Amino acid sequence: DSGVTQTPKHLITATGQRVTLRCSPRSGDLSVYWYQQSLDQGLQFLIQYYNGEERAKGNILERFSAQQFPDLHSELNLSSLELGDSALYFCASSGGQGASGYTFGSGTRLTVV
Amino acid sequence: AQKVTQAQTEISVVEKEDVTLDCVYETRDTTYYLFWYKQPPSGELVFLIRRNSFDEQNEISGRYSWNFQKSTSSFNFTITASQVVDSAVYFCALSEYAGNQFYFGTGTSLTVIP
Repeated sequence: DSGVTQTPKHLITATGQRVTLRCSPRSGDLSVYWYQQSLDQGLQFLIQYYNGEERAKGNILERFSAQQFPDLHSELNLSSLELGDSALYFCASSGGQGASGYTFGSGTRLTVV
Repeated sequence: AQKVTQAQTEISVVEKEDVTLDCVYETRDTTYYLFWYKQPPSGELVFLIRRNSFDEQNEISGRYSWNFQKSTSSFNFTITASQVVDSAVYFCALSEYAGNQFYFGTGTSLTVIP
């Protein structure tokens, strides 16, 4: 157990729908990062939050949004889902702002049908 | 810009053979981190190693070894006496020293045939 908890592990939904993925960081970690792993794009950085504030943005679509709550858990919201959004979504956490101490969660596998 | 290249898309070896996975990176930073992760069929990302750019010493951990060469911007990974349980996708990644994100290579899928 890495200490980073992602729920749900699997999610199947229809096109056009909206889903929320949840991540609880490792105890004491202030930074949360979201990554998308799709067949055609590989592993791509989406967004980072540090202690509730957005700190860095990667290739995140406008249909996607995220936030980090006061208890430091984070949610990734995906709306108007398309078939191409089917992917494995990883959350990672670290103690500082840097990536050196990353710990990844086990991922949420999203299937859009 | 940061970039990681894993030119080997798929490799198959027979059990007990040695195998080397190549990783070449690009960065303008003088300080950075390099990583290897293993992704078994179950999908999770398993951390294998982190190396900072100050330390070019090779590292060995059991059957795993890593060769970091700044002169050629490479960070190669060798599995000695491969086993079926080594079958997985292996990712090389780069991060800036105080950076916010990983730059992953496209991964190398390793199949170890019994």
